[in-house]
Formats: sequence, structure tokens, C-alpha cells
Amino acid sequence: GAGVSQSPSNKVTEKGKDVELRCDPISGHTALYWYRQSLGQGLEFLIYFQGNSAPDKSGLPSDRFSAERTGGSVSTLTIQRTQQEDSAVYLCASSLKGQGAYGYTFGSGTRLTVV
Amino acid sequence: DAKTTQPNSMESNEEEPVHLPCNHSTISGTDYIHWYRQLPSQGPEYVIHGLTSNVNNRMASLAIAEDRKSSTLILHRATLRDAAVYYCILRDGGVQGAQKLVFGQGTRLTINP
Repeated sequence: GAGVSQSPSNKVTEKGKDVELRCDPISGHTALYWYRQSLGQGLEFLIYFQGNSAPDKSGLPSDRFSAERTGGSVSTLTIQRTQQEDSAVYLCASSLKGQGAYGYTFGSGTRLTVV
Repeated sequence: DAKTTQPNSMESNEEEPVHLPCNHSTISGTDYIHWYRQLPSQGPEYVIHGLTSNVNNRMASLAIAEDRKSSTLILHRATLRDAAVYYCILRDGGVQGAQKLVFGQGTRLTINP
């Protein structure tokens, strides 16, 4: 597609429930990233994919968080047993390749609210 | 990734040029200089990036010092829509380089009508 697409744009869930957030990167982009941004805070790196593999998962805050990417395209970020501190905007970005010579395109994000 | 230093905030007037500075004294030879901006309630947006030579695109210009220890993002004619937080980030261009963007606090740009 023309840009990075994320769905849903907004998600309200009850504490303890599982949620899935989806990211459709730009076609042909091999690198995909997940970030989150809590209200009034900076961007926090979560995980990076090169193709379908994730060489850097260092930002995942706990084992309740997991992500996968299939077909070198769509990625899903799953949060199990959601907690109120998980409330944030979850952002996805893609890049033609992972190296620094390539710019990144971000999606508009999924605003997650855990009540 | 090497560290960058930016002013916390800057203010300018509509229709005037804006020069946003960034210091990166520990930059390595393979580091690219990237600029992104984040408008209120939106995800970050790519602005421009470069390695050694100055770069121009439809959004802005990037002026890179000869020793590459600093750079300046230039908005030629600011509009109210340019009010955002601007991030200067170094990214390793090497194959084995770190792969994620690390966002600092950036510069909050205010544009006065």
C-alpha cells in the first residue's frame, strides 16, 4: 500500500483480556518495527523484524508481549492479560531495509486503553 | 548508536525560515543523520536524512557540517503546520549496525502566527 496501515485505530479493553494489534507495512519493506508511546512520553522501542525473523526483541517489556510477522509482510503484536500500564499508542514503522541509509515510515498508531 | 544533542524548544514566526540545530560530536563514519518530526496526536513522520553532503527535499533541507559533528535542519518558510517535535537521530549505515531508531527528547518547535 501507499503507507503503513495499523488496525484498529482505537481499542478499549478490560484489564486481563488479550489484545492483538495489526500492522501492514509498505509493500516490499523488509524491516518492520514496533514502538509504543505513553501519554506525554517519548517513543519506546519494542521489537524489530527483518523479514519474518526478529533479531532484536530487547524492548518487549514482559513475557505478556509477543509479536510475529508472516510472509515478510503483516505483523501482529499481542498483549496477553492486559494491565492498565499497557495503555499507550502503539506505533508500527517499516523501512526498505534495516540499515541507516533508509528512511522509516510510521503508521498512525493504535491507541490502546485498558480499563 | 551515537548520541545527539538538541535544544529542548525553539520558537519562530510563520513564513520565516527556521534553523533547527543538532550536535553529534561522536558520530562515526558510517552514521547517517536522520530527522523525523511528530505533530500533535500523530505518529512520527520522516523528514530527511543524509550522510555527508547537504540534502534537499520538498519538506526541508539538511545542512551537514564539514566535520559531520553537527547538522542543521532548515525549514525554508515555516507554516503553522510545522509546529511539532523534531528529532535528530543517528543511524548506522553498516550492514551489522544497530537496527532501531532511538528517539531522544527532540526539539519542540512552536510557530507563531
